[in-house]
Parts: sequence; structure tokens; C-alpha cells
Amino acid sequence: SQQGEEDPQALSIQEGENATMNCSYKTSINNLQWYRQNSGRGLVHLILIRSNEREKHSGRLRVTLDTSKKSSSLLITASRAADTASYFCARDSNDYKLSFGAGTTVTVRA
Amino acid sequence: EPEVTQTPSHQVTQMGQEVILRCVPISNHLYFYWYRQILGQKVEFLVSFYNNEISEKSEIFDDQFSVERPDGSNFTLKIRSTKLEDSAMYFCASNRDGAYEQYFGPGTRLTVT
Repeated sequence: SQQGEEDPQALSIQEGENATMNCSYKTSINNLQWYRQNSGRGLVHLILIRSNEREKHSGRLRVTLDTSKKSSSLLITASRAADTASYFCARDSNDYKLSFGAGTTVTVRA
Repeated sequence: EPEVTQTPSHQVTQMGQEVILRCVPISNHLYFYWYRQILGQKVEFLVSFYNNEISEKSEIFDDQFSVERPDGSNFTLKIRSTKLEDSAMYFCASNRDGAYEQYFGPGTRLTVT
């Protein structure tokens, strides 16, 4: 499969804690993107990291990319109840098509 | 902020019936997509569309599926003869030329009975 795989499948943390989830992929990437999906809703783009980048920040999000290991991680710092959602990594290709991983469901407890 | 819209939000249909799912992508976007998500599973690519033709389609997108951009704003997905296994959330997405980030609509939940 060319699609990413995330771990863990589910994560439950206390508000204020950090949440880390990982994504692995099997084929070369153009970019690696992360999306969030609230229950029953559409996907929202969070952050994109290019294949020649190693780390990227956006607000409370930090993404790393290790192309030698074909893996990426998403860190959410100081989590809030509103961060409760499913998070998906997606590999894109030159034709823009996205190939999604299975996702990590994050529950932030108040 | 502009957004992708989809109608209807929920469609219930009987097996064998035709359905048309509608999307209005963001107006200055040039690339359009349909994805589906079966309950509890990953989001799967169905088809991409650019310059009034299909750019790529997945194995899922068989002869029962078709897409159309009938005017300057709408982008539709038609399933000719629905099957039980077509029950899923269908998401439309779009992006600008040169930008890889895609903007997704809220989805249409299709239930085939």
C-alpha cells in the first residue's frame, strides 16, 4: 500500500498535556500533510511539510519528517478539549491526489 | 472565508437507484476531487478532475461512477445503480493550481438500503 499508517490508533490525554502521533508511509513523497476531522465532519488542513524539510511549526502544532525512515510525527502541545478529533496524515503526489492513513483518534479530557 | 459546500448533507436511497451528489468548490480553484470514507475506515481517493476531464481515478471508481462539471460552479458525482457497499461519507475537495493543500466540504452521508 502507498498509504500512510498512523499510530497510535487512539490516544486519550488530559487537557494541557501534549499529544504525539506518528505516521509511516511506504513510497516516496512529494509532501506530507496532516488533516483534522471532527466527528462526522469534513477534513481540515493543518500543516504541510515538504520532502526536503525536517521540521515545521504552526501555532501549537509541530511536525517532523524523516524521509530515511519514511515517517512523520505530529505533536500538539498544551492540548485543549477542542483538539478532540481524528488526525490523518496524507501523502500527496505531483498530480495532487491525497493518499490518507488510517488516522489517530485523540480524546482530550477536561 | 470561502468554503467548499456539498448537498445534500444526507441522502438515503434504495439499492439500484441512481444518486447525484453535488459540490460547489471554491471559486478560484482548478482541481476537484471526490473521496469517500466508509464508517470507521480511512478516507479513500475516488477521482480527480481538472480542465473539464478526469485526471486520475481509483479502482473504486468503476463504470457505475461518473463526474461532471455542468456549469462554472457545480461539480457532481453520480452513482448509476447504488449498492449497499456504496454507503459512506462522500467528500468533495478542491485546491488551487500550484498549492497542494486541499479544502474539503462537510460531506454527504449516503445510506443505501
